[in-house]
Amino acid sequence: QVQLVESGGGVVQPGRSLRLSCAASGFTFSNFGMHWVRQAPGKGLEWVAVISNGGTIKYYADSVKGRFTISRDNSKNTLYLQMNSLRVEDTAMYYCAKEHGDYEGFDYWGQGTLVTVSS
Amino acid sequence: QSALTQPASVSGSPGQSITISCTGTSSDVGGYNYVSWYQQHPGKAPKLMIYNVNNRPSGVSNRFSGSKSGNTASLTISGLQAEDEADYYCSSYTSSGVYVFGSGTEVPVL
Repeated sequence: QVQLVESGGGVVQPGRSLRLSCAASGFTFSNFGMHWVRQAPGKGLEWVAVISNGGTIKYYADSVKGRFTISRDNSKNTLYLQMNSLRVEDTAMYYCAKEHGDYEGFDYWGQGTLVTVSS
Repeated sequence: QSALTQPASVSGSPGQSITISCTGTSSDVGGYNYVSWYQQHPGKAPKLMIYNVNNRPSGVSNRFSGSKSGNTASLTISGLQAEDEADYYCSSYTSSGVYVFGSGTEVPVL
């Protein structure tokens, strides 16, 4: 069965960095695009970034462009999100999600990892 | 990248049908058949309910259906059940290559 397990969240001061990981299993990881989606406490879902199956194509939300970097290691079945210059408004639960197919939505989600940016 | 517009709340009684709208622009909802819908219960990860406007993933009840007209997509829940009480979000691929979610709709089952 498909499993996505995020890790790396925690409490960090504004301006600092954090790297999230998402370990995938139960499907051929290298065949699918992968996404990060976040949800601030009590708020709605916000799409963050996508990476193509081969890792060559990446897109970002304007709110994180230039600060966050999405990457993947298909040999390790792992997705990453490097978050630099963190802001208070980046505080959220961060989910990794698998693409159902090209552009076809997100059919499997992890349980999320909480990032809190606070001084 | 403005969020798609959804009503804040749509309520119904058990057995009734409700429809949630999701309004975007010609650069997202209106331009592509890549609208998806998600159900989220409190404290849980979202669950894919509809993809490509009107397709149900395996295992999703046929009480859930999707449609689109112009820049507005809709999710209809027929035969409303207590377990359908949740938040619902639409999402669309956009002409910029990014994705956008809707503002979310709370569905209380009265």
